[in-house]
Amino acid sequence: NAGVTQTPKFRVLKTGQSMTLLCAQDMNHEYMYWYRQDPGMGLRLIHYSVGEGTTAKGEVPDGYNVSRLKKQNFLLGLESAAPSQTSVYFCASSYQGSGREIDQPQHFGDGTRLSIL
Amino acid sequence: EDQVTQSPEALRLQEGESSSLNCSYTVSGLRGLFWYRQDPGKGPEFLFTLYSAGEEKEKERLKATLTKKESFLHITAPKPEDSATYLCAVQAHGGSQGNLIFGKGTKLSVKP
Repeated sequence: NAGVTQTPKFRVLKTGQSMTLLCAQDMNHEYMYWYRQDPGMGLRLIHYSVGEGTTAKGEVPDGYNVSRLKKQNFLLGLESAAPSQTSVYFCASSYQGSGREIDQPQHFGDGTRLSIL
Repeated sequence: EDQVTQSPEALRLQEGESSSLNCSYTVSGLRGLFWYRQDPGKGPEFLFTLYSAGEEKEKERLKATLTKKESFLHITAPKPEDSATYLCAVQAHGGSQGNLIFGKGTKLSVKP
């Protein structure tokens, strides 16, 4: 049972280059999320999706785009990478609860470490 | 503004020395509070969810409690393998589904 798988695990880019980070989950979760984690900042939500074909902005969406064409995959794109986007990127997924427990825990991948020179 | 503050930033314990980590939150209305453990180079690993004041959850040497303003993660007789960063996150009423607000974490080191 793989859970949440992120590829690649490491990447170095030059300023202005583009790339796509892939997240795949095998738990049939409806919701998927992209976060970035920076020293001293905590985890911050970039974009999220509540279902196939839907996406929404989080706290820090500028400079990123996302797509959710299949339920199990959530892609994060950087169109023109900037040094400020050097970070560790985490993908997470969760299922929708009900009633009082509508907010179910998010399950995280092990991250993509991205450096932009 | 919704906010989560964790203290202390770092905590060093001897093996067997019990202690508590604090998570104070300011939100418009709490829907859920989550505790995670994060090991170096890994993603956060879910530990507990608490939904209402007075609720408690336990798992091995860890016990999480919740009041209307804060949550505590109590560690009883810790072992070196409990060393990790512990993250607290809240889901607020009025927030979009899954929009968690994370604290900056407490880095716990347990020495043998």
